[in-house]
Amino acid sequence: GAGVSQSPRYKVAKRGQDVALRCDPISGHVSLFWYQQALGQGPEFLTYFQNEAQLDKSGLPSDRFFAERPEGSVSTLKIQRTQQEDSAVYLCASSLALAGSNEQFFGPGTRLTVL
Amino acid sequence: DAKTTQPPSMDCAEGRAANLPCNHSTISGNEYVYWYRQIHSQGPQYIIHGLKNNETNEMASLIITEDRKSSTLILPHATLRDTAVYYCIVRSGGSNYKLTFGKGTLLTVNP
Repeated sequence: GAGVSQSPRYKVAKRGQDVALRCDPISGHVSLFWYQQALGQGPEFLTYFQNEAQLDKSGLPSDRFFAERPEGSVSTLKIQRTQQEDSAVYLCASSLALAGSNEQFFGPGTRLTVL
Repeated sequence: DAKTTQPPSMDCAEGRAANLPCNHSTISGNEYVYWYRQIHSQGPQYIIHGLKNNETNEMASLIITEDRKSSTLILPHATLRDTAVYYCIVRSGGSNYKLTFGKGTLLTVNP
């Protein structure tokens, strides 16, 4: 079956531009996560949705980062006025259950390069 | 979530067992041990998880010490496609859903 998909796979932005990154989770998955992965590092948590509710946004690095999931399915991560330090791979993951020890399924990521 | 310690890199010969260690000495009673791996240019992939008993699935085995302060992921017959960064993560099974990744272990399987 279809896994988590993300688009675009690659994005180049000039410093100061706004970008929008899309995540299509696995159908029926309640939970959706965004992570940021800098070069040579492990992924770092950004934000978490349960259906359409954003329950945790403690990892968003600044108010330039905004995420939404209005209908509890597709999610968009928006970065305003991009800076060079925003260059990273942005990973989306989804999982089925609300709580417990369920695995997260990751998409391939969007590689953002800010020039 | 408790912190984990892993060696930065390991090598393994193709066809041999790969044993990847992880220390998590501050793990608490309700925290699970998870293993994910990330092949180059892909998203992380779930491998296995456990609470206190040893676990086995089609990909790997997870051995957790009795005191739960360390664990070992075993790939019984490593192939070249197992070359990846392997992450050991300790996570509560309750309301704290996020995964806290460290730097992991780069496993290189050599022909």
